[in-house]
Amino acid sequence: SQKIEQNSEALNIQEGKTATLTCNYTNYSPAYLQWYRQDPGRGPVFLLLIRENEKEKRKERLKVTFDTTLKQSLFHITASQPADSATYLCALSRYNNNDMRFGAGTRLTVKP
Amino acid sequence: EADIYQTPRYLVIGTGKKITLECSQTMGHDKMYWYQQDPGMELHLIHYSYGVNSTEKGDLSSESTVSRIRTEHFPLTLESARPSHTSQYLCASAAPGGDYGYTFGSGTRLTVV
Repeated sequence: SQKIEQNSEALNIQEGKTATLTCNYTNYSPAYLQWYRQDPGRGPVFLLLIRENEKEKRKERLKVTFDTTLKQSLFHITASQPADSATYLCALSRYNNNDMRFGAGTRLTVKP
Repeated sequence: EADIYQTPRYLVIGTGKKITLECSQTMGHDKMYWYQQDPGMELHLIHYSYGVNSTEKGDLSSESTVSRIRTEHFPLTLESARPSHTSQYLCASAAPGGDYGYTFGSGTRLTVV
């Protein structure tokens, strides 16, 4: 069965460092991989989308890589700030985007 | 600024009651979705719609039903609430095509006592 695993439930880092979150998947061939941010009690907020034929995408302090051979995506937040503290979700979908599947998320805490 | 609205934000209701969770979006999106999420767990798709008069069940078996009579409105109904329905319900919409992210509402936290 399809499985999406995010590296750990929680990640604690110091302000100013780079946070790296991992998303691994099995038994799935996604066309798109997305990352979302979710704050407690709120809905997820879309951050970045990367296509299967793209290796890397950047947006401000965010960088996503996508390796379809390893079936893995890495999500980096550079120069992290306490305001970056949240749960980050990885999501995969096929071309029609109607069957998007989410990982359980990694809770990031950035300490001042 | 939210373009997709869910009401109520919180609901505590007794077993056996009928409830409808509202979801409306102002973006003109054809695709809309309902997800269920328990604390610390992944989102599970329970219903989706490609457009007016189109509804499909998702992966997670659900006793809820949905309707899509207008593009902007996608309500979810539980005919007889049970404690096992206690969860957070999230509504989302997406633009046509596959390469757009979803826009989520703030969710409805349902507690059935």
